[in-house]
Amino acid sequence: GAVVSQHPSWVICKSGTSVKIECRSLDFQATTMFWYRQFPKQSLMLMATSNEGSKATYEQGVEKDKFLINHASLTLSTLTVTSAHPEDSSFYICSARDEILANYGYTFGSGTRLTVV
Amino acid sequence: SQQGEEDPQALSIQEGENATMNCSYKTSINNLQWYRQNSGRGLVHLILIRSNEREKHSGRLRVTLDTSKKSSSLLITASRAADTASYFCATDRSSYKLIFGSGTRLLVRP
Repeated sequence: GAVVSQHPSWVICKSGTSVKIECRSLDFQATTMFWYRQFPKQSLMLMATSNEGSKATYEQGVEKDKFLINHASLTLSTLTVTSAHPEDSSFYICSARDEILANYGYTFGSGTRLTVV
Repeated sequence: SQQGEEDPQALSIQEGENATMNCSYKTSINNLQWYRQNSGRGLVHLILIRSNEREKHSGRLRVTLDTSKKSSSLLITASRAADTASYFCATDRSSYKLIFGSGTRLLVRP
């Protein structure tokens, strides 16, 4: 089945630094990937849609300069949280859409827990 | 809000009982999907039901969809302690984006 690998699974960083999170589709090509943010005991909020070879589409209220998304290949999308602050601490999850398996649901990474101190 | 609503927010049942979760959404959809999330982990796809389908089964799972009421339900039969998790519905509209409901936290007591 389709597998999405997300790395790192957790990261602690200092305020003001930047953190990069990777999302890889391991056995399929994903022209579209999605980035979500989840606060404790809450649902997933879609942040942006990452399209291979073009600019990401951000949801309303998400700062594109704060959350940089790069989808340079059909198997890799990255989310960089720039100049991180404690309020950016959250659980970030990516998902990828397999064109062939899309009728059977999307595949999610295991998530990255970001803690900004 | 981009989210749909799910109820109940939390559900505690005894092992062997059935668990029913409901989801309501706001716009027309292509399909509706149910996902499971164990604490602090990623999401696992459970079942997808298309807008022209009314009911679907997968093992101990039964999903219904009522597009006229913009609602869906997930039934887990003969629950097990291992079913303890959060369950989310997600709607897929025309742009392939999944919009998630608020989720139901299920606790199955041994």
